[in-house]
Amino acid sequence: ILNVEQSPQSLHVQEGDSTNFTCSFPSSNFYALHWYRWETAKSPEALFVMTLNGDEKKKGRISATLNTKEGYSYLYIKGSQPEDSATYLCALMGAGSYQLTFGKGTKLSVIP
Amino acid sequence: EAGVAQSPRYKIIEKRQSVAFWCNPISGHATLYWYQQILGQGPKLLIQFQNNGVVDDSQLPKDRFSAERLKGVDSTLKIQPAKLEDSAVYLCASSPGTGQPSETQYFGPGTRLLVL
Repeated sequence: ILNVEQSPQSLHVQEGDSTNFTCSFPSSNFYALHWYRWETAKSPEALFVMTLNGDEKKKGRISATLNTKEGYSYLYIKGSQPEDSATYLCALMGAGSYQLTFGKGTKLSVIP
Repeated sequence: EAGVAQSPRYKIIEKRQSVAFWCNPISGHATLYWYQQILGQGPKLLIQFQNNGVVDDSQLPKDRFSAERLKGVDSTLKIQPAKLEDSAVYLCASSPGTGQPSETQYFGPGTRLLVL
């Protein structure tokens, strides 16, 4: 069973603050890393899929980086807005597997 | 493009009762997944279908859970009998089925089950 860790578990930021979260995974067992955003009462929404060491992806104010050698990915949100409030999940597809192993998520609350 | 549909959205039952969840994936998607997300945990894969065949059901508690995918389209997940620890969000997802590790899975809104 792969161990995917996310930190912090939760955080509260003021509107306009920038923030970042971490997803850690076994560097020896990597195929792809997926980031999802899950707002309450809605469907989890795919943000990024990252496959190559050094990958950087951006979508509006949200960006992500990937380091497969050391086994981590960062998700950054610039100028947080109340609509960014959600749980952010990362999921690893390990080498030789075709299933996603999810972390427990980081719950972000943006205070207006 | 219509997303993944699930019903019901909420269900409250008593322990030892039976319950069934329904999922309609995105049209044309060959792969369908059922996940269980217990409060405070990440989603855990229960079963994966490729068309109407099971690819992986290693984490499905087969003594009480069953799932089928009729004609390779819609799917139902059943729990019989339910236990308190089955209280969770049950998520259905689908993907095109290319087998690429970078393939995105598209999720439905989930069914929130509470077992009393």
